[in-house]
Amino acid sequence: NAGVTQTPKFRVLKTGQSMTLLCAQDMNHEYMYWYRQDPGMGLRLIHYSVGEGTTAKGEVPDGYNVSRLKKQNFLLGLESAAPSQTSVYFCASSYKASGSPSTDTQYFGPGTRLTVL
Amino acid sequence: AQSVTQLDSQVPVFEEAPVELRCNYSSSVSVYLFWYVQYPNQGLQLLLKYLSGSTLVESINGFEAEFNKSQTSFHLRKPSVHISDTAEYFCAVSTDRGSTLGRLYFGRGTQLTVWP
Repeated sequence: NAGVTQTPKFRVLKTGQSMTLLCAQDMNHEYMYWYRQDPGMGLRLIHYSVGEGTTAKGEVPDGYNVSRLKKQNFLLGLESAAPSQTSVYFCASSYKASGSPSTDTQYFGPGTRLTVL
Repeated sequence: AQSVTQLDSQVPVFEEAPVELRCNYSSSVSVYLFWYVQYPNQGLQLLLKYLSGSTLVESINGFEAEFNKSQTSFHLRKPSVHISDTAEYFCAVSTDRGSTLGRLYFGRGTQLTVWP
């Protein structure tokens, strides 16, 4: 199994450009997540999905959109990139905890390093 | 909403010394607790977790953490650290009810640096 993969690994954008980050998982997980990581800020949740066709906002959703048309894929879109979106983006997926709707272990991708000039 | 506080942003220790990384959470409902580790230029990976049962949980590389409900803490300990333990450690919590089902709340991380 490849686990969680992210495409691309690196990207440089100019302010105002758009792009889509792709996350794919082959573990048949119900839940998927997009985080951003900035120095001293830990991980902050952007959007997440608890099933195919469903998405929800996290802590920092502004400026991002997501889609989960297939269970194994979770796309993160930046419609008009801004320098404040320079960050490392991590995708994760997880299964439900046994006997609970909560998340169990989350499996993380290797990250996408995005720079917006 | 849940919150997770990691009390130390940086912890420097010498090799073979004991270490404790502190984590406190705020929640009035049942919680599930996790410690993740991140090595440089990598994603996060699970170190250990508490879902139910014994309040003391262990990892395969000698770390342990104890769930203390009365103190709302889940501190991570290791009796003797190695250079290879140098990494950033994140505490996280999720719950089994409410409008935020499926979410994981992370602390800001503790950078553990082990010196020879």
